Amino acid sequence: GAGVSQSPSNKVTEKGKDVELRCDPISGHTALYWYRQSLGQGLEFLIYFQGNSAPDKSGLPSDRFSAERTGGSVSTLTIQRTQQEDSAVYLCASSLVRREAKNIQYFGAGTRLSVL
Amino acid sequence: DAKTTQPPSMDCAEGRAANLPCNHSTISGNEYVYWYRQIHSQGPQYIIHGLKNNETNEMASLIITEDRKSSTLILPHATLRDTAVYYCIAMDSNYQLIWGAGTKLIIKP
Repeated sequence: GAGVSQSPSNKVTEKGKDVELRCDPISGHTALYWYRQSLGQGLEFLIYFQGNSAPDKSGLPSDRFSAERTGGSVSTLTIQRTQQEDSAVYLCASSLVRREAKNIQYFGAGTRLSVL
Repeated sequence: DAKTTQPPSMDCAEGRAANLPCNHSTISGNEYVYWYRQIHSQGPQYIIHGLKNNETNEMASLIITEDRKSSTLILPHATLRDTAVYYCIAMDSNYQLIWGAGTKLIIKP
């Protein structure tokens, strides 16, 4: 597709369950980012992948959060033992490269996660 | 913490120019300023970015003060579809975008 695709668009889960969120970046983009956005707030960086390099996990809020990127393309963000405070919109973005000043990120529509 | 500060909200009449201010007095000389916007229930959309010189593209103009302590995003002829939250963002030394809360711009008919 032409843009970043995320699925599902909405996810409702019960506290304590695990969830997986998927991101398909723009073809050819080597950099992929995950962000979290709580209601009325700006974006909170979670994790970043660049090619085959080790991911930058500095934004992950706890060890319940993990992400992987298979084959340098599709990425999955996993939240284990979900808590109510995990409720937010999870956004994925991709860009051609990251380590340059001109880094234009293209975003998906996000996954709205609700933990009951 | 965000390196930029913006007013939380602004109104603009349809057809008029919308001027959105941003203060970024602590950014360093090689840090770009980016503007994105987020329409309700959508992902953020890139608008424009700049370093020192004023920039213009099909969406907007970016005016950066000579001391680089502030900038203004200009939407020349605002339409109702321009209603969104506008984010002024600086890139840190690790090339990471640092997001603030943005300005909620409401275009009124």
